[in-house]
Amino acid sequence: GDSVTQTEGLVTLTKGLPVMLNCTYQTTYSPFLFWYVQHLNEAPKLLLKSSTDNKRTEHQGFYATLHKSSSSFHLQKSSVQLSDSALYFCALSGNYQLIWGSGTKLIIKP
Amino acid sequence: EAAVTQSPRNKVAVTGGKVTLSCNQTNNHNNMYWYRQDTGHGLRLIHYSYGAGSTEKGDIPDGYKASRPSQENFSLILELATPSQTSVYFCASGDAQGGTGQLYFGEGSKLTVL
Repeated sequence: GDSVTQTEGLVTLTKGLPVMLNCTYQTTYSPFLFWYVQHLNEAPKLLLKSSTDNKRTEHQGFYATLHKSSSSFHLQKSSVQLSDSALYFCALSGNYQLIWGSGTKLIIKP
Repeated sequence: EAAVTQSPRNKVAVTGGKVTLSCNQTNNHNNMYWYRQDTGHGLRLIHYSYGAGSTEKGDIPDGYKASRPSQENFSLILELATPSQTSVYFCASGDAQGGTGQLYFGEGSKLTVL
């Protein structure tokens, strides 16, 4: 069945450094991928989405490129800020629902 | 901006009691969802709905019922609450067919079962 894998459970970085959060997926359908961000005590919110192969999509300094050849949709940012500390979920469109990854907790230190 | 509101935002219940969590959306979305999230963990789908009158089981439906009396409202019902159901519950709505659309989440309902 469809699945999403996020390999890092926790990533800790110093402010100003780059970050890449991994997301790979498995599906037999044409993939539509999402990144959601959840700050502490808040609801998840959409960060990025894409269904176009090899096209970079960007929002709020974060970017990701869907690569169908490698079934990946990694989230990147060139310079993280303290406010980027949050839980990040990768998700794949399924049949009437999203298939969620387990999430990556990103902690940014001063 | 799509709007999803949940009530109550915080609830303390006793073991064996009945709990109803309510969700209202003003976006005219067909699909609505109930998730639970345990501290520091991911989202697990409990029930979802395609539209008024429909409810479907998600990945962890045991111990929960759902009701979708109208396009706008979707409730989650715990007939006999247990401490293991202590969690944060999120309602979400979305409008796309085939699951390709964005989900809009409510602010969450924190349930504590003593």
